[in-house]
Amino acid sequence: AQTVTQSQPEMSVQEAETVTLSCTYDTSESDYYLFWYKQPPSRQMILVIRQEAYKQQNATENRFSVNFQKAAKSFSLKISDSQLGDAAMYFCAGHSGAGSYQLTFGKGTKLSVIP
Amino acid sequence: GAVVSQHPSRVICKSGTSVKIECRSLDFQATTMFWYRQFPKQSLMLMATSNEGSKATYEQGVEKDKFLINHASLTLSTLTVTSAHPEDSSFYICSARGMGGGAKETQYFGPGTRLLVL
Repeated sequence: AQTVTQSQPEMSVQEAETVTLSCTYDTSESDYYLFWYKQPPSRQMILVIRQEAYKQQNATENRFSVNFQKAAKSFSLKISDSQLGDAAMYFCAGHSGAGSYQLTFGKGTKLSVIP
Repeated sequence: GAVVSQHPSRVICKSGTSVKIECRSLDFQATTMFWYRQFPKQSLMLMATSNEGSKATYEQGVEKDKFLINHASLTLSTLTVTSAHPEDSSFYICSARGMGGGAKETQYFGPGTRLLVL
């Protein structure tokens, strides 16, 4: 079973600046997947980025990138050139890559973007 | 691609009635669908996992007879809240994972259903 920890309940960033959201995890599996989901006020969960544990290269999606440190079991999300639309709850999640692929979620980080 | 719809988006019902929520994968076939409940300012809580054509697997503490899940096809799962009571009021979210490629390992979420039981 996995555990996922987000230690920052709230973060804020100035528009156009860069912010990093932290996430640590613990798992005994060798094959697993990690995700960042965004939940804006509409409450629709939106996939931001995913990382396969077997890949050494950090995933990148436009302004979003991760810093995946496998040995440290760390999976942080970097948002560059922050925009007002980035304001949301961000959830870190992971699963073992097998079985039912059930996700384990962190408690979330609320990101505010200051104009 | 990978769009999941949920209907209704909002429902208000009287205590004691049953409410059905539909979750559909619109542009892919979903091997597995998941049902979550989310309380205000909290993370998602997994209620059950369902695979097409088989019985759902419920998480500990979730009443099977109260939250009936049917996964009749590869694109449709339903959650029925039976004999709803005010404490069942919540935000219910479904997700689906696909059958191949990157979709197999990724859950795509519906927009959620806000249930209010009076």
